[in-house]
Parts: sequence; structure tokens; C-alpha cells
Amino acid sequence: DAKTTQPPSMDCAEGRAANLPCNHSTISGNEYVYWYRQIHSQGPQYIIHGLKNNETNEMASLIITEDRKSSTLILPHATLRDTAVYYCIVRSGAGNMLTFGGGTRLMVKP
Amino acid sequence: EPEVTQTPSHQVTQMGQEVILRCVPISNHLYFYWYRQILGQKVEFLVSFYNNEISEKSEIFDDQFSVERPDGSNFTLKIRSTKLEDSAMYFCASRVSNYGYTFGSGTRLTVV
Repeated sequence: DAKTTQPPSMDCAEGRAANLPCNHSTISGNEYVYWYRQIHSQGPQYIIHGLKNNETNEMASLIITEDRKSSTLILPHATLRDTAVYYCIVRSGAGNMLTFGGGTRLMVKP
Repeated sequence: EPEVTQTPSHQVTQMGQEVILRCVPISNHLYFYWYRQILGQKVEFLVSFYNNEISEKSEIFDDQFSVERPDGSNFTLKIRSTKLEDSAMYFCASRVSNYGYTFGSGTRLTVV
């Protein structure tokens, strides 16, 4: 699975959009981009995933660049409960395990 | 919303003792996993299980570890002889097809 690069930390004001970037320049054609988050020491929580089209669900939006070498997770109106470590993971459709990197620690501030 | 349930939430054991961590995956899920996270470190893959057998395992998953799905609902991780360095949060996860994995809330294992 391709390697991803994320900033180690970011701050966001409560109520504003949080835009979390991820680089995955070696992604191959059959690999999906997944986003998970981990609040404190809880189990990772699935947020969203996509292949090449932008995706939106009730939690977030995922914007994938046309060349698929990077993506952005958008939390449209961040709340204090969105404070967590966010992981961008690239995995092939046939792939089995998730490989977690260091992620981005998002701090939402009042 | 369906959940992956893990028990116990916290287990303290003496070094050298055997421990069994239990998980109840989501009922229609087909793939099952164990991950662990040592305090302050990354989430690490241990093992995946499909069709009643191990499909993949990491270097961490040595002969001291074993997994079992004894009755079609529970999924267990056994550590035969615990070491201090086995102290970690252990997460069970399950998935169906290519959708997102669902993780349990974890078992904190403390080896003393």
C-alpha cells in the first residue's frame, strides 16, 4: 500500500471548517483513500473513503485531486468533539489490513 | 448502529500468565482483525482472520499469540505467556466486503 504524509498537528476554531491534507504521491490506480479518526484512546472510527471522485457523507467530505496524489478531508463545522487524531490511509481494494501512520492531531479550540 | 464489542475493558495480569481478550464482531461481517496500540505509539496490525483461518499476520504475531472463533460469534486473541512489552490497548475490528472497518473500543492490557 502507498505511503501517506500528513502534518503532525493542526488547530481549528470551533464552528469553522477543518481542512486536513494528505499526500499520497505513490498511490496506484486500484488504491482507495480512507480516513479514520481516533478520539483519545478509543478505537479508530471510520469517516469516509474514496477512489477518485469526491465523496460526502454525514460526517465529512473527501476531496481527491485529479492526479490522485493528494486529498483533503473537510469537516465543515468543527466542534470540540472533533478533537482527535486523523489518519489518512491508502489501501488497495483487495488489500486486507490497514497501515496506520502518525496521523494529524486536530485540536478544535473554542 | 451495530457495534464491535470487546471485553474486558481493562485487564491486569502478571508476567508469564495467559490472557484471553474477547470480541464480538458485527454479525454479518466476514473479516476479523486484531490491532494493538502501545501507549503513545501508532496503531499496529496483528492478525486478520477470514473463513475460519488466519489470512495475514504481522511480525508481532509470534507463537505466543493465537486467535480463534470458537462459536461463530466470538473472536478471541490469546497471549500464552505475557511479557511486560505486551502492555497495550488491543482493538478488535471487523468488516464486510470493502466497506470501512468497524473497531471496538478496545481492551487495555496491563502486564505487571
